[in-house]
Amino acid sequence: DAGITQSPRHKVTETGTPVTLRCHQTENHRYMYWYRQDPGHGLRLIHYSYGVKDTDKGEVSDGYSVSRSKTEDFLLTLESATSSQTSVYFCAISEGGGAEAFFGQGTRLTVV
Amino acid sequence: KQEVTQIPAALSVPEGENLVLNCSFTDSAIYNLQWFRQDPGKGLTSLLLIQSSQREQTSGRLNASLDKSSGRSTLYIAASQPGDSATYLCAAPSSGNTPLVFGKGTRLSVIA
Repeated sequence: DAGITQSPRHKVTETGTPVTLRCHQTENHRYMYWYRQDPGHGLRLIHYSYGVKDTDKGEVSDGYSVSRSKTEDFLLTLESATSSQTSVYFCAISEGGGAEAFFGQGTRLTVV
Repeated sequence: KQEVTQIPAALSVPEGENLVLNCSFTDSAIYNLQWFRQDPGKGLTSLLLIQSSQREQTSGRLNASLDKSSGRSTLYIAASQPGDSATYLCAAPSSGNTPLVFGKGTRLSVIA
C-alpha cells in the first residue's frame, strides 16, 4: 500500500470552529490532492498541490484553505466550519504526468 | 472540462457471472483512465490504470478497456465472487497533470 496517512480519522466539531486535517506521505510524490465525498455528489476536488508551496483550487474550494510547507505534508484547513462541510475527506498522491493516483483511508468530519 | 459518468448506479448479480461496468467521459483527449474499488467506510483502492496509448489492461480477473473515440471505458470482471461486492469508480484527468475527475460509481452486489 502507498504510504499515505490521514489524521485524524474521525472528528466532531462545532459550527464556527477552525479545523485542520493532515495528510502525510512517505512516497515523495510531487502531487497531493484533497477531495470530499458526499452521497449524490461523489468525489469532488477541493484543492491540490503540485509542489512545496504550490497549490491550486479545485471545484469546491470555498471555505477551505491548504498549505504545503514540506513535500510529505499537505494540510487542509476549514477556517470556520459549517454543517455543509460535514463529509468524508480523502487525500490522494501522484507522481503526476499521468501516473497512478493513490488514496488515503479518509477522515470523517462531522460539524454540529 | 472533463465529465465522467457511470451507469448503472447499482448492479446486483449472482455469483459466478461475468459482468461489465461502464464508464463514459466527455473529453476524448483523455490522458489516461483509472479504475478504483471502494469498500464501505474505506478509502479507494487502485485497480487498473490505462494510458491513452493502450486499449486494455488486465489484472487477474479484471480487464479494463479504453475507447477514446467513443468516450467509453469498461471494467470486465470474470467469474464474480461475493468478495467483489463494492463500489467501483472510474476517474480521468483532462491532461497528464490535471487532477482526476470521478464518476459517481457503480455499487456492485454479488449474491452467493
